[in-house]
This record gives sequence, structure tokens and C-alpha cells, in this order.
Amino acid sequence: RKEVEQDPGPFNVPEGATVAFNCTYSNSASQSFFWYRQDCRKEPKLLMSVYSSGNEDGRFTAQLNRASQYISLLIRDSKLSDSATYLCVVNRNNDYKLSFGAGTTVTVRA
Amino acid sequence: DTEVTQTPKHLVMGMTNKKSLKCEQHMGHRAMYWYKQKAKKPPELMFVYSYEKLSINESVPSRFSPECPNSSLLNLHLHALQPEDSALYLCASSQAGTGGYGYTFGSGTRLTVV
Repeated sequence: RKEVEQDPGPFNVPEGATVAFNCTYSNSASQSFFWYRQDCRKEPKLLMSVYSSGNEDGRFTAQLNRASQYISLLIRDSKLSDSATYLCVVNRNNDYKLSFGAGTTVTVRA
Repeated sequence: DTEVTQTPKHLVMGMTNKKSLKCEQHMGHRAMYWYKQKAKKPPELMFVYSYEKLSINESVPSRFSPECPNSSLLNLHLHALQPEDSALYLCASSQAGTGGYGYTFGSGTRLTVV
């Protein structure tokens, strides 16, 4: 079983729609959780950290469910510029290594 | 300065060449990383330097040789690469101690081995 698993998508949504997707992780001792965004042929960029209480940054909302070992990302009022691959990233043991999911592709169409 | 700078952005090299990738950050981060990313795959960890010492080598072939001259610089020396080593090479840095704060990635070097 992979450490971090994501639905690869693609999620094709119209502008203005809401899209949400999950990521599951296998190590219950995982400490830190992140969503990164990666545009085609670019580097990953930190979108947001995910906190136990859930957190929101503008149109983006992240949730953590430790009991079921998943995190989620919800994008409201989708923009064309939200089209990207979203990487779920987990820090397992508070060490240096981050474990990456394979990414969820989101395409927002006009 | 909140950036990680990588040079060159693109590199084409022959299998007998020797080249180096460079990475620089001025955020005071004490952990630096090399990752390799193939198309449509997540990044794969290669090396971790912590306080300028190599702390993790993910069983990377010896044709890849990392070097950390000081706390701001990280190099990756390449020699006798294979075509399958063609990929995007990403440098990243993080605050001291752990990856718990996430990484900042550089924009990468797109390497093609011919």
C-alpha cells in the first residue's frame, strides 16, 4: 500500500463550480500535512498546510480527519487559474522526509 | 528573500559529460534537498543535507554526487548519466529540524541526457 494515495482525476469542472477531493495516508503517526499545487512543467508550490481543526484560505478549505486518516481539499468558485495538479504531502515522523501523493489533476473550463 | 534559485534551468548533456546543478537559498534554512521528478509522477527524494551534512541518501547511484559547500548552497554533480536519468531535478529547503513546516522548492533544472 502506498503511503499517500490520491484520486488522480482528472476533475473537469466549469468556472464557478465547487470541487473537492481527498487523500488518504497509511501511517497513523503522521505529523504534518500539506497541499501543494504544481502547474505543468513547473515546481510544486505550497498551497496550504492542513491543521487538525481545519483551515481556510480564501476559496480553499482543507480538512484533516485523523480517525479515518485522510485529508481533503475543497475549492469554491473555481477559476480557470485553479487548473493544476494538487499534491497531497505528508510528513510522517516529524523528520526531514515528506511523502508525496501522485497528485489530483483539476481542469477548470470556461 | 523567500526563494530557492536553481541553475541552469535547462541542461542537455551527453552520457560521457560531467556537469553540475546548483541551488541557492538565503532564507536561513538549514535543511536542503534534491528531488527527481519524472513526467506525471510525484517528486522522489534523492538526498537530504542537514546543517551542511549529508543525512539521507535514498540509495541514489554514484553517478549523482551531492555537495553542500555552505548553508546557502547545494550542488549536484553529474557524471556518466544514462538517458533514463532525464527528468526535472528539484532543489528544496526547509527550516531546521524537520519537514514539518513544508518545503520551498526551486523552479528546477530540466535535464536531458542524450
